[in-house]
Amino acid sequence: EDQVTQSPEALRLQEGESSSLNCSYTVSGLRGLFWYRQDPGKGPEFLFTLYSAGEEKEKERLKATLTKKESFLHITAPKPEDSATYLCAVYNYGQNFVFGPGTRLSVLP
Amino acid sequence: ETGVTQTPRHLVMGMTNKKSLKCEQHLGHNAMYWYKQSAKKPLELMFVYSLEERVENNSVPSRFSPECPNSSHLFLHLHTLQPEDSALYLCASSQDPHRTAGSNEQFFGPGTRLTVL
Repeated sequence: EDQVTQSPEALRLQEGESSSLNCSYTVSGLRGLFWYRQDPGKGPEFLFTLYSAGEEKEKERLKATLTKKESFLHITAPKPEDSATYLCAVYNYGQNFVFGPGTRLSVLP
Repeated sequence: ETGVTQTPRHLVMGMTNKKSLKCEQHLGHNAMYWYKQSAKKPLELMFVYSLEERVENNSVPSRFSPECPNSSHLFLHLHTLQPEDSALYLCASSQDPHRTAGSNEQFFGPGTRLTVL
């Protein structure tokens, strides 16, 4: 059974303090791994898709990387507006999506 | 704006009421999804429609009934719900799950916050 776990469950950073979020997965044939950002009471907002180990993608202060077992979302010099829950999901060749529980990030001014 | 809209944004209903949630996508996608999001739990996939045919049910209680009249519209009909059904209900769409190459990113609507009294 495909599974996705994320750590830590919650993370508090000072503004400018860089860190990484982890997404570990087991999947029967990975077609894609997705990162989403979700603000309270809103739907998830798509950030990145990663397809294969070694791939990296960047967007502003965020950089996502992928290995065969996990993905990292690196946040460089975060700002308070980066505070949100970050969700990881995998998509397999059975056309199934599996989401992780998310990491709740708080960036303090 | 993601191109996926949901109405209503908030809904309060009694256990004996019947209501419907509506989702519309303006992205030209061929697949639409209903998810349930409860506090501190991962997103739970409820239903998938691909080219207007339901392809996944995931053992959802019969008090939830989906309808997909065309590739742009999706409904979730609710009746005799329980308090534990209170949650954020999210609609999503994706291009085409039957593509053999590439992935199939989902784009989400803002959700309907449902409270069952």
